[in-house]
Amino acid sequence: NAGVTQTPKFRVLKTGQSMTLLCAQDMNHEYMYWYRQDPGMGLRLIHYSVGEGTTAKGEVPDGYNVSRLKKQNFLLGLESAAPSQTSVYFCASSTAGTDTQYFGPGTRLTVL
Amino acid sequence: GESVGLHLPTLSVQEGDNSIINCAYSNSASDYFIWYKQESGKGPQFIIDIRSNMDKRQGQRVTVLLNKTVKHLSLQIAATQPGDSAVYFCAEPKNTGNQFYFGTGTSLTVIP
Repeated sequence: NAGVTQTPKFRVLKTGQSMTLLCAQDMNHEYMYWYRQDPGMGLRLIHYSVGEGTTAKGEVPDGYNVSRLKKQNFLLGLESAAPSQTSVYFCASSTAGTDTQYFGPGTRLTVL
Repeated sequence: GESVGLHLPTLSVQEGDNSIINCAYSNSASDYFIWYKQESGKGPQFIIDIRSNMDKRQGQRVTVLLNKTVKHLSLQIAATQPGDSAVYFCAEPKNTGNQFYFGTGTSLTVIP
């Protein structure tokens, strides 16, 4: 039981490049989330999904897109990376919206 | 508005001593709270949770206290060990039911 996994662990992009972050969970959770974590700030929700085929915007969705084609996977895309998107990205999953969220190990993204 | 905050950003304790980390919340309707531990370079890890119908909940070496009168949570770690060094933050569900507020965290350093 791996829990929540994220790939890649590290990535460096140039401004304007695109990339996709992959999150996978093997706990059969309905809800999945993408957060970013910046120094001195709490986790901020980018997008989330309440089930396969659904997505919704969180607190800071601009510049990101997501897809949930399979229940176990949640993809976060950056179409045109900007230096302001330099951050650590965490994926999380839970059985329901008000239940405990379990987090992945994070992806450290640097945009030059 | 609603917020989750911490009284102290940093805390240093001697190995073997007890640690107390505090958290204030402003939404008196919140009925569920979670404490997370985040070690350097890792994702947040669930420690313990508490429902609003409880005042106290104990885990292995950890105790969470909830004071609804003053809207305050605390996490107590008994016999603090070097492995407890991390950032600890609390979380509460937003009214929407699909999201959580996360505090910025308290950095705990254990002095050997």
